[in-house]
Amino acid sequence: SAVISQKPSRDICQRGTSLTIQCQVDSQVTMMFWYRQQPGQSLTLIATANQGSEATYESGFVIDKFPISRPNLTFSTLTVSNMSPEDSSIYLCSVGGQGSYNYGYTFGSGTRLTVV
Amino acid sequence: KQEVTQIPAALSVPEGENLVLNCSFTDSAIYNLQWFRQDPGKGLTSLLLIQSSQREQTSGRLNASLDKSSGRSTLYIAASQPGDSATYLCARGGSNYKLTFGKGTLLTVNP
Repeated sequence: SAVISQKPSRDICQRGTSLTIQCQVDSQVTMMFWYRQQPGQSLTLIATANQGSEATYESGFVIDKFPISRPNLTFSTLTVSNMSPEDSSIYLCSVGGQGSYNYGYTFGSGTRLTVV
Repeated sequence: KQEVTQIPAALSVPEGENLVLNCSFTDSAIYNLQWFRQDPGKGLTSLLLIQSSQREQTSGRLNASLDKSSGRSTLYIAASQPGDSATYLCARGGSNYKLTFGKGTLLTVNP
């Protein structure tokens, strides 16, 4: 299965600023996913990112708040914009897709974001 | 709406006990079900993946079963160890390649 390097692992940010989270995969993958895990909650899908097309956002998430880039088949970034304390969460990237039916999904180690 | 429920929310056992974690899902049109482990403040580690055509998967002391007709999956951990302490998440894989997660079971194994 793929190996994902996610960074930063954690950050403390001031409200009103933005943070960009990066995920690098050791193999080419078609689909990458970004999740948010709020304190004490399970994972919620933010968006699906395919290379060469605009990301598809889930209900409740918008591109202006969470812009995503997918410049190639091994890399993606998620930006959390104009942050507020409510954005304090763990953010995780994941890879899967067609092969996931046989091999499942792999997750990055997560970015723990605290907004003060 | 597809939902995944995990019971119990928390479980504390003495070392050496066998235990079962439960996961139920509302939509039987499932493609696969995956169990993950999450340590505090960390990412997810995949434990077991069960395809919709399978009944169970085993890895070491872990055994996961899947019953599509009843919408249930269980994760069995044999001879639990303090190192097994973590949150265990089940996730349902659907036709749109997306995962729907339960809220997890927080397991504490006491030495």
